[in-house]
Amino acid sequence: IVLTQSPDSLAVSLGERATINCKSSQSAFYSSNNKNYLAWYQQKPGQPPKLLIYWASTRESGVPDRFSGSGSGTDFTLTISSLQAEDVAVYYCQQYNISPTWTFGQGTRVEIK
Amino acid sequence: EVQLVESGGGLVKPGGSLTLSCAASGFTFSSYSMIWVRQAPGKGLEWVSSISSNSRNTYYADSVKGRFTISRDNAKNSLYLQMNSLRVEDTAVYYCVRGGTTMTTEFHSWGQGTLVTVSS
Repeated sequence: IVLTQSPDSLAVSLGERATINCKSSQSAFYSSNNKNYLAWYQQKPGQPPKLLIYWASTRESGVPDRFSGSGSGTDFTLTISSLQAEDVAVYYCQQYNISPTWTFGQGTRVEIK
Repeated sequence: EVQLVESGGGLVKPGGSLTLSCAASGFTFSSYSMIWVRQAPGKGLEWVSSISSNSRNTYYADSVKGRFTISRDNAKNSLYLQMNSLRVEDTAVYYCVRGGTTMTTEFHSWGQGTLVTVSS
């Protein structure tokens, strides 16, 4: 599986929307349970990654609702509705339905304009 | 609260060996799959290896297959990664990660990582 994120980096003004795309070479959707096996992680400088979104659109407990995930099949999007200073980070998508491999996208760096 | 604490990293020469450990707490360790993920300096995330809750199933990235061995001791709430024939390109921060009760799962909780440097 290859996960391709776009863009590689983006600069957004505080309070503006940030959108990150993730395209997979294989479908993340399982019709048996109607779920997309796609997650998003946030990694701030000097910290380990943190799970933000799983099942493509389910927010992890404690994650602010300005973060949302969407998409199905092979095309997915992470949206930060109103960028805050603490959202500066690298964001990764991950597909986890093709055991025994777990694949990450190359990452997208989000900065303040 | 889930806590994962890695140890065992350090400087090793090419061709050498190292064993990483991860001490887990705050959850029922024996119920969850566990994973190692690495990140080379300034690079992205790379899945390394996974192990099922009962150790019956283990999986490896092609880049480490035949050189690394993942194992766990549910009685000690501990995860291990035995790394042999180390290469310069294995230099990375290695993260211990908690998965789910099945193998096809997102990576829920991450340790702080331990740095492995392979250099002569």
